[in-house]
Amino acid sequence: AQSVSQHNHHVILSEAASLELGCNYSYGGTVNLFWYVQYPGQHLQLLLKYFSGDPLVKGIKGFEAEFIKSKFSFNLRKPSVQWSDTAEYFCAVNYMDSNYQLIWGAGTKLIIKP
Amino acid sequence: DGGITQSPKYLFRKEGQNVTLSCEQNLNHDAMYWYRQDPGQGLRLIYYSQIVNDFQKGDIAEGYSVSREKKESFPLTVTSAQKNPTAFYLCASKQGNTGELFFGEGSRLTVL
Repeated sequence: AQSVSQHNHHVILSEAASLELGCNYSYGGTVNLFWYVQYPGQHLQLLLKYFSGDPLVKGIKGFEAEFIKSKFSFNLRKPSVQWSDTAEYFCAVNYMDSNYQLIWGAGTKLIIKP
Repeated sequence: DGGITQSPKYLFRKEGQNVTLSCEQNLNHDAMYWYRQDPGQGLRLIYYSQIVNDFQKGDIAEGYSVSREKKESFPLTVTSAQKNPTAFYLCASKQGNTGELFFGEGSRLTVL
């Protein structure tokens, strides 16, 4: 079965630390990849997405992610986190041969200590 | 402003009662979705609709029902048959097969 794995359920960092959140998916076919973010008390919103082309994609608020096809990975990175990055982050994969339904990771709660 | 409106934001229900959660969008999107979000489990798809008057079961449809009589509206009924209904429910919409999902702010249902 298709699945998406986020390696860390909880991450705690200090401000200015570098961030990398892992995301791996189980299927090797054609995929579209997404990272969504849910800030406290707010709705889920798109952080960045990869459809094709340059495997390094830039998103909002200084986030970026790299698609490594050989590793079935789409890790999220930010060089220097801020307190306002405290949120829950979800990786999602759109499998093109699965009626375009999104498969979601379990989410990673990120807490940034001021 | 275009977006998705879910109501109510918080809802309490006694066991054995049905409850309907509202979802309205003015984005002119064809597809609409209902997800359930539980801590540590990510989002699980309940039902989705790709066009008016048509909808499909998702991964956890048991105990839920939906309708799609209008493009803008996709209400979800949590029936008394749902064994563990206390959860956070998210409605979303999308235009096209590969577009991004737009989410509402969610409805938190608590069964007492």
